[in-house]
Amino acid sequence: DVVMTQSPLSLPVTLGQPASISCRSSQSLVHSDGNTYLNWFQQRPGQSPRRLIYKVSNRDSGVPDRFSGSGSGTDFTLEISRVEAEDVGVYYCMQVTHWPRTFGQGTKVEIK
Amino acid sequence: EVQLVESGGGLVQPGGSLRLSCETSGFTFSSFSMNWVRQAPGKGLECVATIKQDGTEKYYVDSVRGRFTISRDNAENSLYLQMNSLRAEDTAVYYCVRSHGFFWGQGTLVTVSS
Repeated sequence: DVVMTQSPLSLPVTLGQPASISCRSSQSLVHSDGNTYLNWFQQRPGQSPRRLIYKVSNRDSGVPDRFSGSGSGTDFTLEISRVEAEDVGVYYCMQVTHWPRTFGQGTKVEIK
Repeated sequence: EVQLVESGGGLVQPGGSLRLSCETSGFTFSSFSMNWVRQAPGKGLECVATIKQDGTEKYYVDSVRGRFTISRDNAENSLYLQMNSLRAEDTAVYYCVRSHGFFWGQGTLVTVSS
């Protein structure tokens, strides 16, 4: 199975400052169709996860443009340009290139 | 409006069985692979099983292979997870998730305890 490794696991941030989360996979996430199926999810306390980014860098509808995704191959990043209070929660990367689907361990974002 | 509604969770003794259901609406169910993703209390997300659109291919995480069976009924727009030989470590909220994760259900809690 593909192992997804996130860092850091805990991220205290100051309101209005940027934040960055890394996600590395144990093998390339480039699919045979040429796409890279790496998604990012946000889970606020007490809620179901919500997908923010799909295929590395595509924002889902309704996701603020302060969220952006980048990367290729085995190395990916989620960035929040200016953290707001509503961004508190746990963020997960997930690969859907290989079977079975696998998630990173999660990164808890909190306000300093 | 897309809806995924799980049911069937509850308290079960170790070694027991449960069958989870996910009723869906608002999209062409037969066109999408489906997943069961679980989250143990205070822990992260784990995709335990995935089934392709026509049900012919199924994938499981190692920890549940041989004990859990994912299935679907495209005529009824429903997804299922038969869970046998349940263990304490299977205690979690189980989510029904469409394809690559844009749509999630609200989850159903499974508690395995004596």
